[in-house]
Amino acid sequence: EVQLVESGGGLVEPGGSLTLSCTASGFTLSDFEMNWVRQAPGKGLEWVSFISSNGDKRKYADSLEGRFTIFRDNAKNSLYLQMNSLRAEDTAVYYCARETVEGLTVYYFDHWGQGTLVTVSA
Amino acid sequence: AIQMTQSPSSLSAFVGDRVTITCRASQGIGNDLSWYQQRPGEAPKLLIYGASTLQTGVPSRFSGSGSGTHFALTISSLQPEDLATYYCLQDYNYPRTFGQGTKVEIK
Repeated sequence: EVQLVESGGGLVEPGGSLTLSCTASGFTLSDFEMNWVRQAPGKGLEWVSFISSNGDKRKYADSLEGRFTIFRDNAKNSLYLQMNSLRAEDTAVYYCARETVEGLTVYYFDHWGQGTLVTVSA
Repeated sequence: AIQMTQSPSSLSAFVGDRVTITCRASQGIGNDLSWYQQRPGEAPKLLIYGASTLQTGVPSRFSGSGSGTHFALTISSLQPEDLATYYCLQDYNYPRTFGQGTKVEIK
């Protein structure tokens, strides 16, 4: 069974840093591209970041302004999101999502973790 | 960035009703669109990908249509367990962008 389990969320002060983890099981992480998606309290889904299967390509939402870094360790079956200079508006549940590609052109997020809550507050 | 505009933002319907949610892209995205269901307190779940392909295990009352800039998610016969918020996502390019969501309630 495919499982994604996020961890590392918590309360952090504005300007602080936090690193989220996503541990994968039930599949070979190195075969898949991965994403982070967040959801502020009571709000909709917002795509945050993408990383290719071997980590050589990364993409980020424009709103992050270079404060976040996505990386992975396939040997440890883990995906990470390093978040620096955190702001109140980064408060959200952060989900990791597996991306599947069909026929080289069809993409979708077929498995999601349960999310980890990050609260940025003094 | 491509903007995805969903409508309506919320709707209320009876069990057994046919429900349609639309999503419009600010530029053409071919068939590069997926739909997700998020039940209260849960993570999102994939329903449809490639605009019209039903994900394995998803009930056949869900269907997707459209291409280019106009897309739709239809629930042919609304069920109580369909209470959720539904999101479209463009998979055409980066940054990926979601629609703002449609909250479906049961009358």
